[in-house]
Amino acid sequence: RKEVEQDPGPFNVPEGATVAFNCTYSNSASQSFFWYRQDCRKEPKLLMSVYSSGNEDGRFTAQLNRASQYISLLIRDSKLSDSATYLCVVKGSKLIFGQGTTLQVKP
Amino acid sequence: ETGVTQSPTHLIKTRGQQVTLRCSSQSGHNTVSWYQQALGQGPQFIFQYYREEENGRGNFPPRFSGLQFPNYSSELNVNALELDDSALYLCASSPGTQETQYFGPGTRLLVL
Repeated sequence: RKEVEQDPGPFNVPEGATVAFNCTYSNSASQSFFWYRQDCRKEPKLLMSVYSSGNEDGRFTAQLNRASQYISLLIRDSKLSDSATYLCVVKGSKLIFGQGTTLQVKP
Repeated sequence: ETGVTQSPTHLIKTRGQQVTLRCSSQSGHNTVSWYQQALGQGPQFIFQYYREEENGRGNFPPRFSGLQFPNYSSELNVNALELDDSALYLCASSPGTQETQYFGPGTRLLVL
């Protein structure tokens, strides 16, 4: 079993749609959680940290459920520029990345 | 831009050869981590260097080795290259071992 699991997609959605990505992790001792965004052939960039209380940054909302070892990312009012791969990342002694979920927003 | 630079940007090698990849960390950052990202996969942690010492290693064989210099720049060396070593190699710098990591643009390695 992978330490961090994500549905690779792709998720194809129209502009303006709301889309949600999920991620599960296996190590209950994990300390910190993040979502990174990676554009095609570019490096990953930190999108947002994820907190147990849930946190929001504009159109993006992240949630963490420690009991279920589950992390989510919700994107509202999708833009064409949101098209990218979204990487779920769990941190214990090191960063562990999921496979990534590809989002394609269509006009 | 993060201020993390990597060289070269692309590289083609043949099986059995050796390669050295370089990373310059962002100013003020003393920690460099290296990752391997195969096509369609997330980055996999190779190792981390903190103040010139290795500080954690992932599940990679000993032919993957590294160095960190007094200016905190770093090298990744891979000996006896195999076809499966073809990947994007990313380095990330941070101001400490537990702080947010900032990625460089990566080096694309193709092994033929």
